[in-house]
Amino acid sequence: DVKVTQSSRYLVKRTGEKVFLECVQDMDHENMFWYRQDPGLGLRLIYFSYDVKMKEKGDIPEGYSVSREKKERFSLILESASTNQTSMYLCASGEGQTGPYSNQPQHFGDGTRLSIL
Amino acid sequence: QKEVEQDPGPLSVPEGAIVSLNCTYSNSAFQYFMWYRQYSRKGPELLMYTYSSGNKEDGRFTAQVDKSSKYISLFIRDSQPSDSATYLCAMSAYTGGFKTIFGAGTRLFVKA
Repeated sequence: DVKVTQSSRYLVKRTGEKVFLECVQDMDHENMFWYRQDPGLGLRLIYFSYDVKMKEKGDIPEGYSVSREKKERFSLILESASTNQTSMYLCASGEGQTGPYSNQPQHFGDGTRLSIL
Repeated sequence: QKEVEQDPGPLSVPEGAIVSLNCTYSNSAFQYFMWYRQYSRKGPELLMYTYSSGNKEDGRFTAQVDKSSKYISLFIRDSQPSDSATYLCAMSAYTGGFKTIFGAGTRLFVKA
C-alpha cells in the first residue's frame, strides 16, 4: 500500500512565524502535491512537484513556498504565517509517467491541522 | 460556476440502505474519474478509479459515469455504520497535461 506520512497531525503557530510542513512518501512516486482543505471549498492545490527540485504553482500559491530536495520528501513552507492560513493541509503523491500533470490517482496523507494564532 | 459540483449533505440513511452519491461537472474534457472516502480527522482514501463512461464495481461499491449527462455516481450497497464518512469525487482532464479537480465532498451518516 502507498504510504504518505505527514510529520505533524496538529500544529499551533503564531502570526508572522515561518512554518514548515513535511511530507514523505514511500512509493517512489514522481509527483507530489500540497493542498489545503477548508469547509465548503474542498481541496485547493497550493503547489506540486513532478521531480526533484522541480515545482509548479497550483491555484493558491500566494504566501507559500515548497522544497523538494529528495524524491520522497516534499516540504511546504509558510513564509510568514497569517490567520487566514489556518486550515487542514494535505500532502499527496502520485505516479507521473505522463508528465507533470498525470492521469494517475493521488494518494493522500492524514493531514496536518494548522492553527495560526 | 464550479467545474465540479457535489451536494455537501449531510445524507443520513439507515443501515442496510443503498446509498447514491453524485457529482456533476461542466468540462466535457474530463476523462478519468475517482471517488475518495475521508473519515473524520484523516486524509482522503482512494476508493474507485475509472476511465470514461460506464460502470465499475468493487465489492459493495459501484462507480457509474455518464459522460453525455456530465454526471458521475457512487453507489454503496448494504451500507454499514463504518461507511459514515465524507465522500469526495475527483476528475482529471487533459489540458496540455492532466489536471485533477476535486468536489467539496458529501457527508454521509449511516445509522445503526
